[in-house]
Formats: sequence, C-alpha cells, structure tokens
Amino acid sequence: DTGVSQNPRHKITKRGQNVTFRCDPISEHNRLYWYRQTLGQGPEFLTYFQNEAQLEKSRLLSDRFSAERPKGSFSTLEIQRTEQGDSAMYLCASSLPLANSPLHFGNGTRLTVT
Amino acid sequence: DQQVKQNSPSLSVQEGRISILNCDYTNSMFDYFLWYKKYPAEGPTFLISISSIKDKNEDGRFTVFLNKSAKHLSLHIVPSQPGDSAVYFCATRIGRSQGNLIFGKGTKLSVKP
Repeated sequence: DTGVSQNPRHKITKRGQNVTFRCDPISEHNRLYWYRQTLGQGPEFLTYFQNEAQLEKSRLLSDRFSAERPKGSFSTLEIQRTEQGDSAMYLCASSLPLANSPLHFGNGTRLTVT
Repeated sequence: DQQVKQNSPSLSVQEGRISILNCDYTNSMFDYFLWYKKYPAEGPTFLISISSIKDKNEDGRFTVFLNKSAKHLSLHIVPSQPGDSAVYFCATRIGRSQGNLIFGKGTKLSVKP
C-alpha cells in the first residue's frame, strides 16, 4: 500500500505567482478529494472527483482555483495569482467508490505565499 | 458558523487511563460521523466511524458513542497510550454528499507516560 502521494511537500511562492500541486491517489480508489487546512482549523472541503468527473465544488474554490483529473488517476490543483490568504496545507484524499468508504489522506502540500 | 464543534482544544491524560474526546454538531440531518487522528507533518488518518442508526461502535481500544437527541458524539480511548498523542478531528457529512466532510477544529491529546 503506497498510500496517497502529494508533491511537492512544501512550496514557497510570491504573491501573484501561479502554483500547481499534484496528487496521486491509492491505485484502486476512483474517488479523489482536495481539502485545505489552515492553522488551528480542521480540513475544509474544496472539491471532489469520481474518476475524471468533478462532482462537487465548494464555494471556497474561487475562480483562481482549478482542479483537474484528466485520466481519472492523478489530479492537479492550480492556484492562479496567489494571495497571502492562500497560505495553507492542501490535502488530497482518495477513497473507494463505496458508501461510507473512509477517506485516506496524503501528507499534504504546505503553501506559503510571501 | 461552525456546524461541528470540538470545544476542548487540548486534553492531557495519564498513560493507561481513559481519554474522552467530545464533539457537538448542529444539524440533525448529519447521518454519518467519523474520527480522524493527525500526527504532525502527516495527513489525517481514519480512526473509527458511526452511522446515525447506531449509538455505539467499538474497534479495539477505540469506542465512539453517538447521542442523537443531544447532537453529541464522543470518542473513548481505553487504555490510553503515549502513541495516541495526536490531534483528533471529529467529522460528519450530510446524506448523499460523499465528498464533503465537515471537520471540527480538533482536540490535541497528550498522553503522558
């Protein structure tokens, strides 16, 4: 079990730059999720894919954010024109396509916008 | 407005004793509840869950209790071990929304040897 893999682990960028994160889910999991966690808070849902279809999006996912899962395997999360408020831990999770199947999280990508 | 509340930011327990972590929720439509554990620099790890049709679920040292009338759930860890020291998150979802888990802010548990 290789688990959910996220790259990079850390990203420091200047305000206004674009960043892209990658998530590789557990191979047999066809559901993939993106969450964001800021200091002192629990993870907050951003978006969710089943295979390549993006089925849910949070209102937290502003126009500057875009997530893709083109072949139903890995996913990317891009943030355009980053702002300091985007600084957070971005967590990816995956699960089996079963009701109440628990989410398996990766170790996250920590974004710092200076 | 928080829908899932963990009112204790931290909890300290002696090794071998019981740890009780609490969680309150506001929406009676929530039908499935989970507990996740998180170590520093790692993602959350699923611990245990309970459906709203049950009031108790047990897995080894971990038991989750659900009180629907009070909109309250708790996680009991018996006996507590130093390796249990972590941040514990309560999470829930509404019905068919498979992806949108709503998390509390977490409780940091410290188990002292």
